[in-house]
Amino acid sequence: DIQMTQSPSSLSASVGDRVTITCRASQTVYTYLTWYQQKPGKAPRFLIYGASNLQTGVPPRFSGSGSGTHFTLTISGLQPEDFGTYYCQQTYTTPTFGPGTKVDIK
Amino acid sequence: QVQLVQSGSELKKPGASVKVSCKASGDTFTDHGMNWVRQAPGQGLEWMGWINTNTGDPTYAQDFTGRFVFSLDTSVRTAYLQISSLRADDTAVYYCARAHDSGTYALGYWGQGTLVTVSS
Repeated sequence: DIQMTQSPSSLSASVGDRVTITCRASQTVYTYLTWYQQKPGKAPRFLIYGASNLQTGVPPRFSGSGSGTHFTLTISGLQPEDFGTYYCQQTYTTPTFGPGTKVDIK
Repeated sequence: QVQLVQSGSELKKPGASVKVSCKASGDTFTDHGMNWVRQAPGQGLEWMGWINTNTGDPTYAQDFTGRFVFSLDTSVRTAYLQISSLRADDTAVYYCARAHDSGTYALGYWGQGTLVTVSS
């Protein structure tokens, strides 16, 4: 199976900050990379697919980039409602998730 | 819009079985497969596998073979996850999830989750 890693494992940022989360795959997944946001006690929310395609209804402050083995999720102008844990998932082969990045608001 | 509604929390003893249901609405049930994802307390997400809602063929991830069974009742648009010989480390929230489009494992629609607690 393809292993996914994320960094950092957690971060604390202020409202308005630009936040970047990195996701790496153990081998190429091309652009078969999805991002989710999860809040405590809730199901994950689908944010970005195909590495950079924003799901309908997701605010444009969220963006994704990358291909191959290195991907980033950027939140440009962090909002209070953006707290939660962010997961990447590769869908090139048998799906695997990254371990998550917890985002707190300072 | 697509909605997935799961059955309620379960408390089971070790060795027992549990069956979690996931009822879909809002689109053609057989157009997309149904995936299952596990989340142990305080842990991340694990993809368990999926079931083809057209053929009923299941595919299980490596860690979820043997005691885990996916099934369907297309007449009521419902997918099921059955876990047998429950152990304490099966304690988790189990989610059903549907791909956002055909031919992808990117999960666009999720049930609310079902907490299964295994305790004596």
